[in-house]
Amino acid sequence: DTGVSQDPRHKITKRGQNVTFRCDPISEHNRLYWYRQTLGQGPEFLTYFQNEAQLEKSRLLSDRFSAERPKGSFSTLEIQRTEQGDSAMYLCASMVVGQETQYFGPGTRLLVL
Amino acid sequence: GENVEQHPSTLSVQEGDSAVIKCTYSDSASNYFPWYKQELGKRPQLIIDIRSNVGEKKDQRIAVTLNKTAKHFSLHITETQPEDSAVYFCAPTNTGNQFYFGTGTSLTVIP
Repeated sequence: DTGVSQDPRHKITKRGQNVTFRCDPISEHNRLYWYRQTLGQGPEFLTYFQNEAQLEKSRLLSDRFSAERPKGSFSTLEIQRTEQGDSAMYLCASMVVGQETQYFGPGTRLLVL
Repeated sequence: GENVEQHPSTLSVQEGDSAVIKCTYSDSASNYFPWYKQELGKRPQLIIDIRSNVGEKKDQRIAVTLNKTAKHFSLHITETQPEDSAVYFCAPTNTGNQFYFGTGTSLTVIP
């Protein structure tokens, strides 16, 4: 499968715990995006990378959230001290700069109890 | 940031009829205008897109029209089929720096 992959697909955690999600983009894609989607809403932009550089973060993104893309390939999104309001689908997407066509991964569904 | 609105939020049509969804945006620098389809429990998938130097683009039963002056673009689906039932999102962007998704339109095609 040469598409965008995400791991895990589902995560249940208790409030206050830390969680980390992984995204593997399509191999030649130099941009990688993270989104959060709650029921009935469109994907909400969180942050994006061009190669290993994090170029932008949403102003709405809490400092409990951090993302990395250390070698310009896969990326991780960590949420520290999770809250029930963090329950959502976390989507990753990748694309080639200049082409603007994003390809989404299947998402990681997070439930915080 | 960009303000993106979609209308209507829900749409029901009879199979075979046409459906039109409108997306309005605020950032005049937006130059790429995609539409995504998301079926229940699935990832968003690009179905059609248009760039700012083009007014209309068609792909079989799906078309997108753009009015840059008025800052809106629309998705047109003709001869609707039950498998067109899904949530549709617009996501205008300025060179892919950020994609601002609309709140979605839930389309139901009644057989």
